Amino acid sequence: AQSVTQPDIHITVSEGASLELRCNYSYGATPYLFWYVQSPGQGLQLLLKYFSGDTLVQGIKGFEAEFKRSQSSFNLRKPSVHWSDAAEYFCAVGAANFGNEKLTFGTGTRLTIIP
Amino acid sequence: DAGVIQSPRHEVTEMGQEVTLRCKPISGHDYLFWYRQTMMRGLELLIYFNNNVPIDDSGMPEDRFSAKMPNASFSTLKIQPSEPRDSAVYFCATSRWSGGSLLPYNEQFFGPGTRLTVL
Repeated sequence: AQSVTQPDIHITVSEGASLELRCNYSYGATPYLFWYVQSPGQGLQLLLKYFSGDTLVQGIKGFEAEFKRSQSSFNLRKPSVHWSDAAEYFCAVGAANFGNEKLTFGTGTRLTIIP
Repeated sequence: DAGVIQSPRHEVTEMGQEVTLRCKPISGHDYLFWYRQTMMRGLELLIYFNNNVPIDDSGMPEDRFSAKMPNASFSTLKIQPSEPRDSAVYFCATSRWSGGSLLPYNEQFFGPGTRLTVL
């Protein structure tokens, strides 16, 4: 079964600074990987996803993530954060089984932005 | 498009009462997912449907929980009887299979959630 680990429960970053959120996955084959963002009181919104091909994927809101098979990682990055990026971020993994739409989410990383 | 609609947004009930959560998917979406989010356990998939048929209910915690999807426009998650440990935010999410795509995953669109408090 697939699993996801987000080692950082809470990260604080200054506005304008760069950001990297860590995600490690466990899956026996090439995984399908996702990053979602959840603003307070809201549902989750997809930031980006990786299925195959280029290991650096671009998403919405200026986010990008890099798939590194050797490290079983899919870290999320942003070169310069804005106060509006304060939210909770979830990494998720899916099994590469046709017709299986089940995703497994990590426990999330809460991002705080300070002026 | 109105997005995924969930009702009620907040529910406070007493232990032992029946609770029904409702979800209206985005029109044309053929997958529907029910999730539960708590501080202790994070985001858990409870059950998901494809074309109104339950595909995987392995995440349903116990027999007190049941979910139905009588048609493509409506789904319910019922807890009977409710217990304080059921207090959580329950999300409904939907997605649309792209048909000819070989990629199984399409974006899941989440509703705003229902915050359930069982006293």
